[in-house]
Amino acid sequence: SQTIHQWPATLVQPVGSPLSLECTVEGTSNPNLYWYRQAAGRGLQLLFYSVGIGQISSEVPQNLSASRPQDRQFILSSKKLLLSDSGFYLCAWSGGGWITEAFFGQGTRLTVV
Amino acid sequence: KQEVTQIPAALSVPEGENLVLNCSFTDSAIYNLQWFRQDPGKGLTSLLLIQSSQREQTSGRLNASLDKSSGRSTLYIAASQPGDSATYLCAVFTSGTYKYIFGTGTRLKVLA
Repeated sequence: SQTIHQWPATLVQPVGSPLSLECTVEGTSNPNLYWYRQAAGRGLQLLFYSVGIGQISSEVPQNLSASRPQDRQFILSSKKLLLSDSGFYLCAWSGGGWITEAFFGQGTRLTVV
Repeated sequence: KQEVTQIPAALSVPEGENLVLNCSFTDSAIYNLQWFRQDPGKGLTSLLLIQSSQREQTSGRLNASLDKSSGRSTLYIAASQPGDSATYLCAVFTSGTYKYIFGTGTRLKVLA
């Protein structure tokens, strides 16, 4: 069966520090991968998605970047964190194609201080 | 641009009630619609997936319907229980994109 792993679960980082959040999927190949952010009391905002290795689409201009170095690995990064980067970050995957279900990781709570 | 709206934003009901959560979307050209549950501080759990060619899906006490032409979906929860308390989110997968666009959710509280 397919599983998605996301870590760390919580993170407290100072302003200006770098960030690296990792997400890996097991039990499937060539998944579509997604990074979402959920700010307190708000909905899920799509940040990045990837349909293949090295293929990254960015949805909003921001202080973050994403990379997909391997088929089932998706990394969210920042060189210098801002206070506004605080939030709940969720990774998700779905199978290739159109009629497909999305599955989410357990999320990372990032607090920038 | 696809926009997804969920009403009500919050709902509090006594245990045992049947209830309906609503989801509307502006672009009817979708491949599927998915309902999720989110417990506080946790990730999303998939509840039901409705493909664009389908009218409804059922799982246990949950039933989701889809009227693609009018841009609406409803999630029906029968005989609600305190364990159903959570935030319920709908998401649409719009044709021609690889994106799941989410509504802002309905926060449900079922009172014992």
